[in-house]
Amino acid sequence: DQQVKQNSPSLSVQEGRISILNCDYTNSMFDYFLWYKKYPAEGPTFLISISSIKDKNEDGRFTVFLNKSAKHLSLHIVPSQPGDSAVYFCAATLRDDKIIFGKGTRLHILP
Amino acid sequence: EAQVTQNPRYLITVTGKKLTVTCSQNMNHEYMSWYRQDPGLGLRQIYYSMNVEVTDKGDVPEGYKVSRKEKRNFPLILESPSPNQTSLYFCASSTWGINTGELFFGEGSRLTVL
Repeated sequence: DQQVKQNSPSLSVQEGRISILNCDYTNSMFDYFLWYKKYPAEGPTFLISISSIKDKNEDGRFTVFLNKSAKHLSLHIVPSQPGDSAVYFCAATLRDDKIIFGKGTRLHILP
Repeated sequence: EAQVTQNPRYLITVTGKKLTVTCSQNMNHEYMSWYRQDPGLGLRQIYYSMNVEVTDKGDVPEGYKVSRKEKRNFPLILESPSPNQTSLYFCASSTWGINTGELFFGEGSRLTVL
């Protein structure tokens, strides 16, 4: 039973345009939602998080939107840059400190 | 430099031969955890620890053991490895719990069990 779903395995976006990565979840008890970025041969790095009581959080070029009624969150990257090419993982936490990751979306930024 | 260090980075072993993957962090973090990454499955949490002598099972704990005798170290033990434990393993730490989101990950340990 996949509680955190990233339905797009990959996404290609032109440099300078907006990248939108999507994530759906099934468990209403999730406390926080997070996005991590991963380059090949490196560990994931934290990007941005949002509490389940908020609907938007912004940090520089990265904005995460949470739609609780739809159980959907999205990460917007504006403008997209070549260094943004990576695998992005959506994740959600529970109050007992468990964390559930999605399968990841590979983002390609095209020149 | 603040970091999470895993060893070994690469290991090929045979079925049944006990092995330990070490994890050490120098940030005085209370929370530490282990994950495995497999193609098409993303990252899955194996075990986590809120503090010394406190460990809990994640999503996929079968076949693994952990211990937290010191704050900085959180080794992952495979008592009798099997081929289905061939994977890329990551250790991570955090200041307190994971709700603020910022897990610091190590560079990964690629394990192959023949």
